[in-house]
Amino acid sequence: GQNIDQPTEMTATEGAIVQINCTYQTSGFNGLFWYQQHAGEAPTFLSYNVLDGLEEKGRFSSFLSRSKGYSYLLLKELQMKDSASYLCAAPERTGGFKTIFGAGTRLFVKA
Amino acid sequence: GAVVSQHPSWVICKSGTSVKIECRSLDFQATTMFWYRQFPKQSLMLMATSNEGSKATYEQGVEKDKFLINHASLTLSTLTVTSAHPEDSSFYICSAKGDYSYEQYFGPGTRLTVT
Repeated sequence: GQNIDQPTEMTATEGAIVQINCTYQTSGFNGLFWYQQHAGEAPTFLSYNVLDGLEEKGRFSSFLSRSKGYSYLLLKELQMKDSASYLCAAPERTGGFKTIFGAGTRLFVKA
Repeated sequence: GAVVSQHPSWVICKSGTSVKIECRSLDFQATTMFWYRQFPKQSLMLMATSNEGSKATYEQGVEKDKFLINHASLTLSTLTVTSAHPEDSSFYICSAKGDYSYEQYFGPGTRLTVT
């Protein structure tokens, strides 16, 4: 079956670096997404990894290891506005199409 | 990037009434649209998947007669919550996907409060 695990909460300090891990088990592999969701708002796209390795995009980077079923989101130079939930998600195509979302990691950035 | 709108952004209704939420893809053709529900401090819960011109596919435990979904065109899907009850109060989010990408584009969400 499909399963996505990520930590429930994390706390980090402004200006620091934080790594949010995600392990996944899916039927087939169609890439891995990371979304950011602020409280009361819809998710916004951060990254999509299909190949192994690290993809850097400004302060945010995402890493994927398909053989290990593992991904992480790396946030550098943390800002207070980065306090949000971060959702790891994997598309699944079995018959129809849908995306399996993890429960999300709530990140608290403190001064 | 692609833009998805939702209307209304918030709605308050009385118990027993029905509420319709619209989801529109503004600059691309959405062959598939998804409806999610999210309770406070919980993750997204997929309610149903709809493809243009066909019946929606509901997730287990979601009452299709209560949550009516119509995807009549490539740019519009609607979710109607029928005979709403206070426990239906939640944040409803739609997303849309085109044919050539796995990425979903999310609408801004609709906060429903049933009194």
